[in-house]
Amino acid sequence: GQSLEQPSEVTAVEGAIVQINCTYQTSGFYGLSWYQQHDGGAPTFLSYNGLDGLEETGRFSSFLSRSDSYGYLLLQELQMKDSASYFCAVRNAGNMLTFGGGTRLMVKP
Amino acid sequence: DAGVIQSPRHEVTEMGQEVTLRCKPISGHDYLFWYRQTMMRGLELLIYFNNNVPIDDSGMPEDRFSAKMPNASFSTLKIQPSEPRDSAVYFCASRRGREAGELFFGEGSRLTVL
Repeated sequence: GQSLEQPSEVTAVEGAIVQINCTYQTSGFYGLSWYQQHDGGAPTFLSYNGLDGLEETGRFSSFLSRSDSYGYLLLQELQMKDSASYFCAVRNAGNMLTFGGGTRLMVKP
Repeated sequence: DAGVIQSPRHEVTEMGQEVTLRCKPISGHDYLFWYRQTMMRGLELLIYFNNNVPIDDSGMPEDRFSAKMPNASFSTLKIQPSEPRDSAVYFCASRRGREAGELFFGEGSRLTVL
C-alpha cells in the first residue's frame, strides 16, 4: 500500500517563508507532486519532482530526497492569497497519483 | 483551450436514487481519473482510464459505483442506488501522456444524498 504524512495545519504571517513537509511510503515510486486547493475549488498543480533535488517556480520551490522518502514545498514571500490547502501526491509506476491528507495553510496579516 | 468540464456542479438527491456524473477531459489527453474528496478520507482515486480503457478500478468503493468512457471526450461515473455516505465532491482529472507530471482537474461535482 501507500501512505503519505503531512502536517494538517500551518500558520504563517504575510511576507514570511513556510515549509510544508511530506513523508511517504510506497512501492514503485515514480515522483512527488504538489497541488494547491482553495476552499470550494479544484486542486491545481504546483510542481513535480521526479529526481532528487530542488525545483523552483517563482515563489514556490519543491524538494525531493528519494533515499529519505521525503519532500517539501517551500513558499516564500507569503501572500494572503496563498491561504489554501496543499497536497503532496505520490506517483507510482502504475501511473496512479495518491494524495496525502493535505496541509491547511493560514496566512495572517 | 477549455479545461476539464464536469456536470452537474451540484446535485442533491434522495437515498436510493441513481446519480450520474459527467466529465469531458481536455482534448488530446489520454488519461482520465475520477477522484472523490471528503473531509474524513481526503482525495481518493476511484478509477482511471487510459485511451478509454479502465486500467485500475480498485478504488471504486462497491458495486453500486460504475464508470464508463465510451469515447475520448466523455466519461460518466454512476452511483446506483445512492446512499448518504456517498455525499462528497467528485473530481474528474485528465493528463496527456504517461510521463506528464501534471494532472488537470475539473471544478468538481458536489453530491449530497439525503
